[in-house]
Amino acid sequence: GAGVSQSPSNKVTEKGKDVELRCDPISGHTALYWYRQRLGQGLEFLIYFQGNSAPDKSGLPSDRFSAERTGESVSTLTIQRTQQEDSAVYLCASSFQARETQYFGPGTRLLVL
Amino acid sequence: GDSVTQMEGPVTLSEEAFLTINCTYTATGYPSLFWYVQYPGEGLQLLLKATKADDKGSNKGFEATYRKETTSFHLEKGSVQVSDSAVYFCALSDRGTDSWGKLQFGAGTQVVVTP
Repeated sequence: GAGVSQSPSNKVTEKGKDVELRCDPISGHTALYWYRQRLGQGLEFLIYFQGNSAPDKSGLPSDRFSAERTGESVSTLTIQRTQQEDSAVYLCASSFQARETQYFGPGTRLLVL
Repeated sequence: GDSVTQMEGPVTLSEEAFLTINCTYTATGYPSLFWYVQYPGEGLQLLLKATKADDKGSNKGFEATYRKETTSFHLEKGSVQVSDSAVYFCALSDRGTDSWGKLQFGAGTQVVVTP
């Protein structure tokens, strides 16, 4: 079936604007993860959804970052009042169940000017 | 806390050369270990994994053995091709801790294979 998809693939925004990034997980996958990859660095965990449980937000870097997920489908990561240090590739992954192998989308490259 | 350390790149090799990328880890629980690969312009793909000590993961000619005594999971391939040019990430998921399910990644190692 189709893999994880993300949109937009690229986003350029001005400092202070809000952005929304979208992730469509693999159909049937109950767990969904967001990661951030800053230039020259490894991936940092941001947030994790599992079914109807409360999300694990322990990786969100500030209260400007939030995410929602509708049931076991689409997720949106929102960054409010963007800062230049938010520039990164934002990667979404899903897994059939929690704590199983994660499959990644192509990412959204965000540039904050 | 948990961490993953992998060798810095770029690693530049000629086609058919032997490739080794070192990865060591620290973990408080019982980690599963992974290698992910990111080809140019593409997303991360799982290359191989191992879930317990002495397990060997293998795929596409790549191998890595989970060595608990040296806390290592080095990636090897006997004869690389130009198509193996990519960035390789070592990662762990620590079972038995609050971090289980959240992948902890190394910084990535870029590999460039020349004809």
